[in-house]
Amino acid sequence: AQKVTQAQTEISVVEKEDVTLDCVYETRDTTYYLFWYKQPPSGELVFLIRRNSFDEQNEISGRYSWNFQKSTSSFNFTITASQVVDSAVYFCALSGLKTSYDKVIFGPGTSLSVIP
Amino acid sequence: DSGVTQTPKHLITATGQRVTLRCSPRSGDLSVYWYQQSLDQGLQFLIQYYNGEERAKGNILERFSAQQFPDLHSELNLSSLELGDSALYFCASSVDGTSMADTQYFGPGTRLTVL
Repeated sequence: AQKVTQAQTEISVVEKEDVTLDCVYETRDTTYYLFWYKQPPSGELVFLIRRNSFDEQNEISGRYSWNFQKSTSSFNFTITASQVVDSAVYFCALSGLKTSYDKVIFGPGTSLSVIP
Repeated sequence: DSGVTQTPKHLITATGQRVTLRCSPRSGDLSVYWYQQSLDQGLQFLIQYYNGEERAKGNILERFSAQQFPDLHSELNLSSLELGDSALYFCASSVDGTSMADTQYFGPGTRLTVL
């Protein structure tokens, strides 16, 4: 069975603090994709990253970085020097490599509040 | 702005009624997806259309139906509405819907409230 766990339901940090959002997944597939999406208070879902299971290299995009560890089935997301605009619900998701978007499994989300 | 548009933004209606939600995909995207997001069920895939044809079906109730028109816009029809249908309904689009290497872009959502 495929499953995505985001154990942190809500996180509050003070602006400029670093924060890490955890994502742990379960899959029997040997190849798969992992995703992160952001849902700000305005409601729309914003795609942040897609990571192929072949590529365990960490990725950095500005203040955002992602740590993919196959050994622990985790795909954690770190925001450095958080800002109020980072306040949102963040979803981690999982799919097989050779599948389609209807099979994507979303985690329950982590609500991040960045306090000025 | 993802390029995916959804109308209306908000919809308030009564139980037993029927509503239609509209989605226009990004220019060039052939695949449209509908999702329902509720507090208790999270984000759930409902249905996917590709170039006018139904491609995949998820947890979509029989009271719900969808279609994709020749101009590629899509409509989600919800009938015999119940209180539990209150949710945020998202439309998303991608280029061809067969490759996970395609990026899926989401619209701003339609918030449906059933009273």
